[in-house]
Amino acid sequence: EDKVVQSPLSLVVHEGDTVTLNCSYEVTNFRSLLWYKQEKKAPTFLFMLTSSGIEKKSGRLSSILDKKELFSILNITATQTGDSAIYLCAPLEGNQFYFGTGTSLTVIP
Amino acid sequence: NAGVTQTPKFQVLKTGQSMTLQCAQDMNHEYMSWYRQDPGMGLRLIHYSVGAGITDQGEVPNGYNVSRSTTEDFPLRLLSAAPSQTSVYFCASKTQVYGYTFGSGTRLTVV
Repeated sequence: EDKVVQSPLSLVVHEGDTVTLNCSYEVTNFRSLLWYKQEKKAPTFLFMLTSSGIEKKSGRLSSILDKKELFSILNITATQTGDSAIYLCAPLEGNQFYFGTGTSLTVIP
Repeated sequence: NAGVTQTPKFQVLKTGQSMTLQCAQDMNHEYMSWYRQDPGMGLRLIHYSVGAGITDQGEVPNGYNVSRSTTEDFPLRLLSAAPSQTSVYFCASKTQVYGYTFGSGTRLTVV
C-alpha cells in the first residue's frame, strides 16, 4: 500500500486560476512533510511543514498540514505558465522521506 | 559551493554491462541517498547512507551497490545492467532536520 497519495494526478488550468494540490500520507513516526517542485530536472524545495494548522507562504504558493487527518495541501493562486511542473510531497518517517508520484500541473496561457 | 554534483548526465549501457554513477557533495552533509524516478512511480529510494562507512538499503536496492568511503562521495554501482534499470537517477543529500538538495540527475538507458 502506498505511503503517500497525491491528487489529482494531473491538472490543466488557465493562467490566473487557483489550484489546490492534495497529499495524504500514512507513515508512523512522522516528523515533517516537504513539498517540491520538479520541472525538467531535479526537484527543488518549496516548503517544509512540521506543525498542524500553520500556513507557510511564499509568494503565490502556500501550504498547510493537518497531522490529525494526515494530509497536506499546496495552494497556488493566480497561476502562471511558469508554475507548470510536477509537484511532489514527501513525508519524513524516521530518517526516510517517502515521495508521492506527484501532481502534474500544466498552466496554459 | 557546488551543492550536489552527479555524473554522467546521460548514459547508454548494453545489458550486462557495469557502470558507476558518481555523486559528490560539498556541503558536509552526513546523509546521502540515491533515488530512481520512473513515470507514474514517483521517486523511489535505492540506497542511503547516514555517514562515512555506513550504508543501508532503501525500497528498491536489488541490482545496485553503494559505498561511502568519504563524507563527500556516494557512488552507485550497477554490476550487471538490465533494461528494468532504465530510469532517471537522482542523488541527494540532506541535513538531519531539513530537506534534500538534489543533484541534476542521470538519465540511464539500458538496451
